[in-house]
Amino acid sequence: DTGVSQDPRHKITKRGQNVTFRCDPISEHNRLYWYRQTLGQGPEFLTYFQNEAQLEKSRLLSDRFSAERPKGSFSTLEIQRTEQGDSAMYLCASSSGQGKLYEQYFGPGTRLTVT
Amino acid sequence: AQSVTQLDSQVPVFEEAPVELRCNYSSSVSVYLFWYVQYPNQGLQLLLKYLSGSTLVKGINGFEAEFNKSQTSFHLRKPSVHISDTAEYFCAVGRSSDSWGKLQFGAGTQVVVTP
Repeated sequence: DTGVSQDPRHKITKRGQNVTFRCDPISEHNRLYWYRQTLGQGPEFLTYFQNEAQLEKSRLLSDRFSAERPKGSFSTLEIQRTEQGDSAMYLCASSSGQGKLYEQYFGPGTRLTVT
Repeated sequence: AQSVTQLDSQVPVFEEAPVELRCNYSSSVSVYLFWYVQYPNQGLQLLLKYLSGSTLVKGINGFEAEFNKSQTSFHLRKPSVHISDTAEYFCAVGRSSDSWGKLQFGAGTQVVVTP
């Protein structure tokens, strides 16, 4: 069990560019969550996958954001045409369900800076 | 709708002194409650959770919290803090009716432990 990993840890991009982040959950976890955390705030829910199905999306997830989990393992979060307001820490978490539904294990996050 | 309020944005405390971090929530449905800790440049780690049963829950690193339904509170305590407890602490709420474990976080409380 190597924990949840995220790549890259830091990303600096210019406004208007596209960025993609990757999350590798704990291997036996079928549930995967993306959160966004801005400075001085707690994480805000963005989206949720159970296996490869995306079951819930927050209104925070504008049309410029897309998330996938193609084989029910790793997930990607893409932001198109980045804006300065997208600067934040993007956190991924996973859980196994099965009575431990709320034990979400978080990765270290990807810090995005849009200049 | 539900909300989570952490009443203190920052709590300075001397080493070996007790600390209490306050969390209040509002919800029209029954909830599960959590405390997470975030060390600098790391993801969130689950400290403890209340799902049902005893209202006093014990977590890792000597922390405990008490669920008070009438006051809709879930305050976190530690009788004697260490320098290593310097971190940001987040209270989170999940609806017990949710089938997939979405969490709503408070804004966080920064704990600074000094010698």
